[in-house]
Amino acid sequence: DIVMTQTPLSLSVTPGQPASISCKSSQSLLHSDGKTYLYWYLQKPGQSPQLLIYEVSSRFSGVPDRFSGSGSGTDFTLKISRVEAEDVGVYYCMEGIHLWTFGQGTKVEIK
Amino acid sequence: QVQLVESGGGVVQPGRSLRLSCAASGFTFSSYGMHWVRQAPGKGLEWVAVISYDGSNKFYADSVKGRFTISRDNSKNTLYLQMNSLRTEDTAVYYCAKDPLTHWGQGTLVTVSS
Repeated sequence: DIVMTQTPLSLSVTPGQPASISCKSSQSLLHSDGKTYLYWYLQKPGQSPQLLIYEVSSRFSGVPDRFSGSGSGTDFTLKISRVEAEDVGVYYCMEGIHLWTFGQGTKVEIK
Repeated sequence: QVQLVESGGGVVQPGRSLRLSCAASGFTFSSYGMHWVRQAPGKGLEWVAVISYDGSNKFYADSVKGRFTISRDNSKNTLYLQMNSLRTEDTAVYYCAKDPLTHWGQGTLVTVSS
């Protein structure tokens, strides 16, 4: 089974400052079709998870461009260029190449 | 717009059964695979099961295999999760989601307790 490991597990950020979350998978997420099936979600307090990034770096519909994803193979990063108050919540990475395994989650709060 | 509405949650005793439903609208339901994902209180997300667009393929997490059954009725635009032999560790909010987990419902809470 694939294991997804996120770091850090919590993050306190000053509004307007950047933030970065790492996600490492125990196996490559590169599929034979050439795509890499790594997703990022944000679960705001009291809400369902919402998709931010799919296939490593593609922003989902309506997601602000301050969110960006990068990486390849087994190492991935989500970056927020300038954190806003509405970005608080728990961020999860997820692999979609095996059986949709999630990382442990990274809690982001505002200083 | 895509809308997914779960129902059927509640309090149930260990060993009993429960069936969850997910009513879908705003997209061509019969063209998409569908998932169930759960979240225990205060914990992270755990994928539970997936079914293909036509119901011909189903996959389960090891933690529910042999106890849970995912199914769908494309004529009713509805996804189901039949949960048997429930355990206390199955207590969670259960979400349905459209493949590839682009859209999620609001969730329904299942509490397994004596």
